[in-house]
Amino acid sequence: GAVVSQHPSWVICKSGTSVKIECRSLDFQATTMFWYRQFPKQSLMLMATSNEGSKATYEQGVEKDKFLINHASLTLSTLTVTSAHPEDSSFYICSATKSGTDSYEQYFGPGTRLTVT
Amino acid sequence: AQSVTQPDIHITVSEGASLELRCNYSYGATPYLFWYVQSPGQGLQLLLKYFSGDTLVQGIKGFEAEFKRSQSSFNLRKPSVHWSDAAEYFCAVGDTGGFKTIFGAGTRLFVKA
Repeated sequence: GAVVSQHPSWVICKSGTSVKIECRSLDFQATTMFWYRQFPKQSLMLMATSNEGSKATYEQGVEKDKFLINHASLTLSTLTVTSAHPEDSSFYICSATKSGTDSYEQYFGPGTRLTVT
Repeated sequence: AQSVTQPDIHITVSEGASLELRCNYSYGATPYLFWYVQSPGQGLQLLLKYFSGDTLVQGIKGFEAEFKRSQSSFNLRKPSVHWSDAAEYFCAVGDTGGFKTIFGAGTRLFVKA
């Protein structure tokens, strides 16, 4: 299998605070992980691509200083939403590709619902 | 730039009827194509994928899709829909250069009894 977990599954935070979301590949090593954002009834929008041990590559329009991504190991990537505001409320989804393979298949986590009050 | 178009925002079919969800892509080379399903409160599940070879791809849950290069399409089909198939379906195209995946807007499938 190829299981990706996210923690927490949902979180409520106050405006101005920061929140960290974890993405873990449970049974495989992931050189590359992706972070997506999904608004209600809309598609997934790629926010950034993270490779283990290097800086994340952000998509155009995504604020690097607001959405901090750290990919410290081959099984863990974190997304920190800094100084969160209500407009950051969304569903955040991570995915991972297996190391050592040329497969382009991504394995998705179940997502994290962030609500900023 | 690569893009994916799913023309139908939502589709309603009767249980037991056949289903076809449309997907058109724009990509300069031979694309990597995917169909995912997202049920409420759950993560995305891969239904099937096309990288190369046979243009008719079989997936899980009885789904299949056909890659038609001349039409830039990758439509998803199922001969007989079950009520449990009600969900959001996403077509996606993969960037062969950097693993990036671009998703279509999604098609919401409703199944009526």
